[in-house]
Amino acid sequence: EVQLVESGGGLVKPGRSLRLSCTASGFTFGDYAMSWFRQAPGKGLEWLGFIRRKGYGGTTEYAASVKGRFTISRDDSKSIAYLQMNSLKTEDTAVYYCTRDPVPYDYDSSGYFEYWGQGTLVTVSS
Amino acid sequence: EIVLTQSPGTLSLSPGERATLSCRASQSVSSRYLAWYQQKPGQAPRLLIYGASSRATGIPDRFSGSGSGTDFTLTISRLEPEDFAVYYCQQYGSSPLFTFGPGTKVDIK
Repeated sequence: EVQLVESGGGLVKPGRSLRLSCTASGFTFGDYAMSWFRQAPGKGLEWLGFIRRKGYGGTTEYAASVKGRFTISRDDSKSIAYLQMNSLKTEDTAVYYCTRDPVPYDYDSSGYFEYWGQGTLVTVSS
Repeated sequence: EIVLTQSPGTLSLSPGERATLSCRASQSVSSRYLAWYQQKPGQAPRLLIYGASSRATGIPDRFSGSGSGTDFTLTISRLEPEDFAVYYCQQYGSSPLFTFGPGTKVDIK
């Protein structure tokens, strides 16, 4: 059974950093691209970024809203994807989700997401 | 950036009724890259439809998707009590890679 479990959320002050983890199980993690999304309280869904397989250099793509502040990485030996968030702002307050691409080995995403974690809440407040 | 607009914002219906949800894109979207999700309070999104019309694993056949170009539709043929939720369309394309519509809330009349 595919499982994605996010962790690392919590209360953080503006300007600080936080690293979220997405621990995967039930599939060969290194074969898949992974993405991060977020959802601010009462709002819609926002894509944050995407990391390809190591076979494609583990290259990343980011939304303009977080490019330069957020970094996605992966540790295939531990089956974990990370979201490093720097210079956090109050508007980064949201539930953060990780997802897995549906098809292994592809360079580009298949464009939809069947597997989501339960989310982890990040609150940025002084 | 491709902007997705969903209508109506809220749909008030009774169990057993048919729900028709619209998703309109500001530019043409490949049907291959249009998906629909259901989300209930406190839960992660659930994939319903991908490729505009293919049902995801385990999704009942009362859910169907259609459309092409800039106009897409999610239809729920007969609403069950568990179908009352928020529905989002999502596209994959040029930067930003993935965008979502603002959602349609289907609530009980």
